[in-house]
Amino acid sequence: DAKTTQPPSMDCAEGRAANLPCNHSTISGNEYVYWYRQIHSQGPQYIIHGLKNNETNEMASLIITEDRKSSTLILPHATLRDTAVYYCIVRVHYQFYFGTGTSLTVIP
Amino acid sequence: GAGVSQSPSNKVTEKGKDVELRCDPISGHTALYWYRQRLGQGLEFLIYFQGNSAPDKSGLPSDRFSAERTGGSVSTLTIQRTQQEDSAVYLCASSLVGPDTQYFGPGTRLTVL
Repeated sequence: DAKTTQPPSMDCAEGRAANLPCNHSTISGNEYVYWYRQIHSQGPQYIIHGLKNNETNEMASLIITEDRKSSTLILPHATLRDTAVYYCIVRVHYQFYFGTGTSLTVIP
Repeated sequence: GAGVSQSPSNKVTEKGKDVELRCDPISGHTALYWYRQRLGQGLEFLIYFQGNSAPDKSGLPSDRFSAERTGGSVSTLTIQRTQQEDSAVYLCASSLVGPDTQYFGPGTRLTVL
């Protein structure tokens, strides 16, 4: 029962910003948005999360719209190692609702 | 510090056999989760532990699946009488408390022949 919608795939040129969109139109006020990525054959890796405000860390930035119905993960300078499946997740209490993710390919 | 570890990393078994998958969470993490990921799919929630108790077992696909956690640490996921549709990667995650960021292990790839 995924609560998010993401494009199935995207390409990005190496060194450019990668902007990954996510729709979560049914999100409730106390539900967090999380982003993880999964590189082939590995467990998902935490990237960033937020509730209402935009967030930034050493890996990425998260932009959440004012109505909270969508968000964008920004990788500021994509490298080949950023090629992975990116999951946008709504956390409801302890429960993470994974969708099918966006397969990002960084092109040299 | 050490992350979440899982063993074995790969398991091949014959249909009808029982298998046990082990998860060692990050030290001090009270919450533990099991997920299943079929080939090319997203993660499917199986069970959540808070301490040694499992307040939510709603994701377990059938009564052939069970899990336990002892000492508030290690967890074992047991699949009895395995079927070919059980073939998947089984992922474990832990978090400091229940509603918190989850950290995932590398998974166990189960293949049922």
